[in-house]
Order: sequence, then structure tokens, then C-alpha cells
Amino acid sequence: DIQMTQSPASLSASLGETVTIECLASEDIYSNLAWYQQKPGKSPQLLIYYANSLNDGVPSRFSGSGSGTQYSLKINSLQSEDVSIYFCQQNYDSPPTFGSGTKLEIK
Amino acid sequence: EVQLQQSGAELGKPGTSVKLSCKVSGYNIRNTYMHWVNQRPGKGLEWIGRIDPANGNTIYAEKFKSKATLTADTSSNTAYMQLSQLKSDDTAIYFCAREGMAFDYWGQGVMVTVSS
Repeated sequence: DIQMTQSPASLSASLGETVTIECLASEDIYSNLAWYQQKPGKSPQLLIYYANSLNDGVPSRFSGSGSGTQYSLKINSLQSEDVSIYFCQQNYDSPPTFGSGTKLEIK
Repeated sequence: EVQLQQSGAELGKPGTSVKLSCKVSGYNIRNTYMHWVNQRPGKGLEWIGRIDPANGNTIYAEKFKSKATLTADTSSNTAYMQLSQLKSDDTAIYFCAREGMAFDYWGQGVMVTVSS
């Protein structure tokens, strides 16, 4: 199975700041990488697919980048509603595997 | 509007089975795969398996091959997952998720608690 190593495990930032979350795949996943946001008590919501494509309705302050084995999610101008856990997922190979998550809090 | 509506919380005794449902609306369930994912309390996301509702073909994660059984009823636009031989570490939230651009729509999740 492809292992997804996500960092950091937790992150605290101020409103208006820019934050970056990283995901490292154990092998090349050819940009088949998705990012999800999970708010407390809710199901995950798709933010980014195919490494850098923004899902419908997702604010443009979210962006994804990367290739090969290294990917990142950037959130510009942090808002209070961005408090969530963020997960990466590879869907290049079966089984699809998730990163362990990054808990984002506001300072 | 695409929606995935899951059944309510379940409390199961060790050794028994539960069957969860995921009724979709806003699209034909035949059109794409349905995946199931779990999340143990305070933990991350774990893929269980997926079904092609059009033909019933399934793929399971290795650790769930004898635990989960995925089915679908295209006449009612509903996917199901049965969990058998329940143990305490099956206690988790279980999500259904549609495969579109990645997992683009998710059910609200159902809490399964295994306790005697």
C-alpha cells in the first residue's frame, strides 16, 4: 500500500496568516492527490483534487500544488471557519490511503 | 443536488452484525463507485472498500475482507455495508462516499458502537 506522511500533525496560526500543510507519498502518485477538510462532528469535504484543482464552491484562498511524491495545501488569509482537520489522500493506486491529518487551530 | 443519507446510529453486541445503509439522491447510483471509510474515535480515515453498483463488483481493503460486505440496490438507489463478528475495535464512525473527482460527496456518517 502507498503510505501518506502528512505534516505537521497540528498547526496554530493567526487570522489572516498563510499556512501550508505537506503530504509525502511513499512512491510517485502522478498528481492523484486530494485534500479534504473535516470540521468537528462533520464528514470530510473535498477541497482539492488532482493535486491542484479546486472543487466547486471552495474559496480561492485554498490552493494545492506538488507532483511526484511531494504535495502541499496552502491556505491564504486564514479565516476562523478554516478551523478543521485536513487530510490528504492518494487515489492513484488501490487501496486509496489517507494521511494522518493536520489539526488547524487559530491562535 | 447530490445527497448521501446514511442510516442512524447503531449499538451492537460483540459477535453480532450490523447493516448500514446509504441512500443517494440527485444522481443515479449506477453511475459511479461507492466507497466506505471509517474513522475511529479521535483518529484518521481508513478505507474499507468500494462497490460498483452497476454490477455489484467489490474491492476490499485486506483487513476488512472478512469483516465488511458491500452491496447495492439500484432500484432504491441505496448502498449497504454489513459488518460482521463485531468487536470493540469496530467502534467507529462509518462514512459512505461517492467517487467522482476523488471522493466528492460524503454521507453524514453513522456511529457504530460495539458494547455488551
